[in-house]
Amino acid sequence: GESVGLHLPTLSVQEGDNSIINCAYSNSASDYFIWYKQESGKGPQFIIDIRSNMDKRQGQRVTVLLNKTVKHLSLQIAATQPGDSAVYFCAERKDSYDKVIFGPGTSLSVIP
Amino acid sequence: DAGVTQSPTHLIKTRGQQVTLRCSPKSGHDTVSWYQQALGQGPQFIFQYYEEEERQRGNFPDRFSGHQFPNYSSELNVNALLLGDSALYLCASSLSRGEQYFGPGTRLTVT
Repeated sequence: GESVGLHLPTLSVQEGDNSIINCAYSNSASDYFIWYKQESGKGPQFIIDIRSNMDKRQGQRVTVLLNKTVKHLSLQIAATQPGDSAVYFCAERKDSYDKVIFGPGTSLSVIP
Repeated sequence: DAGVTQSPTHLIKTRGQQVTLRCSPKSGHDTVSWYQQALGQGPQFIFQYYEEEERQRGNFPDRFSGHQFPNYSSELNVNALLLGDSALYLCASSLSRGEQYFGPGTRLTVT
């Protein structure tokens, strides 16, 4: 079956430190892997995605790494800020118009 | 430019009742997807509408139905509500192929 799961349900980091959120996936047929941020009372917000033919992609303060050999996805947030506190979901799509399959989420708490 | 909007924000219903949730997509988007998010879990795909037709469907019973209008807005209908239907219902819009933008959701409580 298809599933996306996370290693750690909660993560606390000091403001200014780097954060790493990990995710395992099981569907080798997925072509897109996505990270979403969900703040309290809001819908998921797209952060960054990566296609299956890539192993690294960088955005503003965020980097996503994809290891297809071990089916592992990670999100790195540089210089974590209080505004980064939220629940982070990894997700996958088979292609660009397919449904999004979400994992269970990791709660990131930034300590001032 | 307004993003995805959903109404109502909150809703309380009784078991056995029916509910209709509404979604207006982001300007220019033609595809609407609906997700159910139980407390503490990731969103689960319900179905997707494109050109007023259901294009994909997740593992949800027929009690869950939807509609897309010519202006691309959409409705989600749930019949014979169960306590387990209590959740945050999210609407996401996109172009036929592309990133999905999520609305704030409708919080449904079934008592």
